Amino acid sequence: DTAVSQTPKYLVTQMGNDKSIKCEQNLGHDTMYWYKQDSKKFLKIMFSYNNKELIINETVPNRFSPKSPDKAHLNLHINSLELGDSAVYFCASSQDAGRGGYTFGSGTRLTVV
Amino acid sequence: AQSVTQLDSQVPVFEEAPVELRCNYSSSVSVYLFWYVQYPNQGLQLLLKYLSGSTLVKGINGFEAEFNKSQTSFHLRKPSVHISDTAEYFCAVIPKGGADGLTFGKGTHLIIQP
Repeated sequence: DTAVSQTPKYLVTQMGNDKSIKCEQNLGHDTMYWYKQDSKKFLKIMFSYNNKELIINETVPNRFSPKSPDKAHLNLHINSLELGDSAVYFCASSQDAGRGGYTFGSGTRLTVV
Repeated sequence: AQSVTQLDSQVPVFEEAPVELRCNYSSSVSVYLFWYVQYPNQGLQLLLKYLSGSTLVKGINGFEAEFNKSQTSFHLRKPSVHISDTAEYFCAVIPKGGADGLTFGKGTHLIIQP
C-alpha cells in the first residue's frame, strides 16, 4: 500500500564502502527524485528522473550515481562513502511537473563511521 | 532560480493558542507554493498547496495558508494548535513547468507547550 517506499530505513557503514538505497513508487508518477536532508534539516535536491531520463543533476560528488531501471524505480548508489555523506536521503515522486506536490518516502538514515 | 526564506527557525506556542509560521519566497518566474510537515523520524507530508485562484487555501489538520503576491509570502496559520502539531514545517516552491525541482526553506520547528 505504501506509495513511495525506500529500503533500507537505516544504513550504518564504514568509510570507503559502497552502498545502495532503493526506491519504488506505485503511484504511476512519471518523475522521481532524490533529496538529501542534512543534520540541520535542510533539504536539497540531488537528482531527478523523468521516465528513466535524467533531468536534474545538482552539484553532487561523482561518487553518487542514480539509476532508473524503469519509471517506477530510482536507486541511489554511493561509492567510497565519506563521513560527510551521513544524512537522511529521501526519495520522492510527482506527476504533472510537480503541480500536485511531491510524494515522499519515509527516508533512509545513512550513518558513515 | 528560486529561494525560500522561513523567518523563524523555532516557534514555541502554548496548546490551543493560534500560530503563524512565516514564509517568503523569491523567483523570477511564476511558482506553485506548498507547505509540508515532517513529524519526528518520518518523511514529509503535504499539508496544503497554492496553484491559482483563491489566495486562501485550506489544508489538512486544520491548517490554512494565504498567498500574497505583492509581498511574495505564503504564511501558514492554525487557529488552535494541539500537542500533536509538534513537528518541523517546510515551505517550498516549484516553478510552473517543474524545472529545477521543489525548493525548500530551512524549516520551522513548531514546539507546542502544554
